[in-house]
Amino acid sequence: TQLLEQSPQFLSIQEGENLTVYCNSSSVFSSLQWYRQEPGEGPVLLVTVVTGGEVKKLKRLTFQFGDARKDSSLHITAAQPGDTGLYLCAGSGNTGKLIFGQGTTLQVKP
Amino acid sequence: DAGITQSPRHKVTETGTPVTLRCHQTENHRYMYWYRQDPGHGLRLIHYSYGVKDTDKGEVSDGYSVSRSKTEDFLLTLESATSSQTSVYFCAISEWGGQGGWNTEAFFGQGTRLTVV
Repeated sequence: TQLLEQSPQFLSIQEGENLTVYCNSSSVFSSLQWYRQEPGEGPVLLVTVVTGGEVKKLKRLTFQFGDARKDSSLHITAAQPGDTGLYLCAGSGNTGKLIFGQGTTLQVKP
Repeated sequence: DAGITQSPRHKVTETGTPVTLRCHQTENHRYMYWYRQDPGHGLRLIHYSYGVKDTDKGEVSDGYSVSRSKTEDFLLTLESATSSQTSVYFCAISEWGGQGGWNTEAFFGQGTRLTVV
């Protein structure tokens, strides 16, 4: 059974701080995706990483895919209150099955 | 916005009754998924489909069945609803892309809030 473990589950920080969210598995994935979800809405894609060791940057967000394609991280630099939300990692293999981690609830205080 | 709609958006039902949730897409995407979302559990996969009449189980499939008779529709049925199935249910769609083979962006419906009393 494929599982994705996210940590931490909850994070409350002050505006301007940096943070990292981790997504780990014992399984190899074809790709890892990161989504962000606002209350009352469905998740929205932030990024897809497909190559081991790949690093992608989206403004203040940096995403990395582990060399062995079993783990990923999301780093946010100088967090802002607008970054508040639920962050979810998702992995897919070669069957099209898409599984999600438990999510990280981020609260950024002004 | 991707064309994916869920119905109903809200439902209250009694324990032991059957319930069917519908997901309809207009994107002609191959993959369709049903997830449930509960506090502290993220999104848990119930069932997914990789084509018409082709479905497979997810992590939490007990008590749920699905059907996909047309590309655009994916139905989730709770044969006999229980209080533990009170949750928010999301449908999602995606495609297959890339030489290495991976899912493209998953688009989600607006969710169905189901309460079993």
